[in-house]
Amino acid sequence: NAGVMQNPRHLVRRRGQEARLRCSPMKGHSHVYWYRQLPEEGLKFMVYLQKENIIDESGMPKERFSAEFPKEGPSILRIQQVVRGDSAAYFCASSPRLDYEQFFGPGTRLTVL
Amino acid sequence: GQQVMQIPQYQHVQEGEDFTTYCNSSTTLSNIQWYKQRPGGHPVFLIQLVKSGEVKKQKRLTFQFGEAKKNSSLHITATQTTDVGTYFCAGIMEGSNYKLTFGKGTLLTVNP
Repeated sequence: NAGVMQNPRHLVRRRGQEARLRCSPMKGHSHVYWYRQLPEEGLKFMVYLQKENIIDESGMPKERFSAEFPKEGPSILRIQQVVRGDSAAYFCASSPRLDYEQFFGPGTRLTVL
Repeated sequence: GQQVMQIPQYQHVQEGEDFTTYCNSSTTLSNIQWYKQRPGGHPVFLIQLVKSGEVKKQKRLTFQFGEAKKNSSLHITATQTTDVGTYFCAGIMEGSNYKLTFGKGTLLTVNP
């Protein structure tokens, strides 16, 4: 059973461009979570999704950030008009049900020039 | 807002010494989880504690959950170089059943 997949692993964007981060959860997992990690910081919750539904996006900035988890295909975290402060590692995690351990992907390291 | 504080931020030990990291929440937790992240890696789940006063052991690692379900600790006996990494606690607040609030982590380095 493959683990959580994320791509790309590294992404470089210039200010004002768009960043698209992809996450394929583990097989059989319908719960997906996105976290952001700044250097030497803990992970900060951004958004929780189930298939085709955003359940909780309370940790996600209201502007420029959006997330989806379509019926087919990976979950996407989209950042429009990136700024330098968006540079961070973005981790996706999945779980088979609520209140269960979350399995993390390898992360996407976003650098905004 | 709801916070999980973790100390110390850094800990450097000689191989063979013990290590402890402490986690304290501003609110009562329904459960607490511990993760390990190697440099450049991703968080890897270690354990979940649910019950008040619970103690769990994994080889040289001992995890405790406080009686009030607001604090937790991870103790490593006789550290090895393979223990190097950042250890995070992450709590799920009462009333939620999925939102993990992470501490800032303790970076452990081990001198061989």
